[in-house]
Amino acid sequence: DTVLTQSPALAVSPGERVSISCRASEGVNSYMHWYQQKPGQQPKLLIYKASNLASGVPARFSGSGSGTDFTLTIDPVEADDTATYFCQQSWNDPPTFGGGTKLELK
Amino acid sequence: EVQLVESGGGLVQPGRSMKLSCAASGFTFSDYYMAWVRQAPKKGLEWVASISYEGSSTYYGDSVKGRFTISRDNAKSTLYLQMNSLRSEDTATYYCARLRSIYYYSSYGYFDYWGQGVMVTVSS
Repeated sequence: DTVLTQSPALAVSPGERVSISCRASEGVNSYMHWYQQKPGQQPKLLIYKASNLASGVPARFSGSGSGTDFTLTIDPVEADDTATYFCQQSWNDPPTFGGGTKLELK
Repeated sequence: EVQLVESGGGLVQPGRSMKLSCAASGFTFSDYYMAWVRQAPKKGLEWVASISYEGSSTYYGDSVKGRFTISRDNAKSTLYLQMNSLRSEDTATYYCARLRSIYYYSSYGYFDYWGQGVMVTVSS
């Protein structure tokens, strides 16, 4: 299976820019997607196919990357962005998720 | 508005069975692949199973293959997950999700809408 590796946690101040990384153990073309999960809630799609903003998602969120290295950027970060962010690949079988990056605000 | 509402969870003993349902609304159910994704307590997300538009093709993760069965009733816009021979490691919140295929008739894709989830606890 394709293993997706994310940093466990990040802490930033409101108004700053934050980049959350996801590294795949093998190439996934551009088929990397990002989700936000707030405590007690279901995941929500943010970015699909590496850089496409999902419907209704603020333009503060953006995605980039291809192959094995991908980044989700939030600029500027707001207090409401406190959540865990997961990447997911759909190029290789089976679909797999990263372990998640917990974003905390200072 | 797309809505996915799961039901059927609860406490079950190891080795027993349980069936989850997911009622869909706000979109043409038969136009989409559907999937189940689970999340163990304080853990990450794990894809469980997917099903094609009419239900003729199904796909499973290795951890549930041979024990779980995904199915759908397009007339009722409902997705199901029959879980047999349950184990303690199946304890998780189970999410129903709509799958946006990367190309037509493909189980490969991303999950654009999720239900609120239903908790399944396997314990004696």
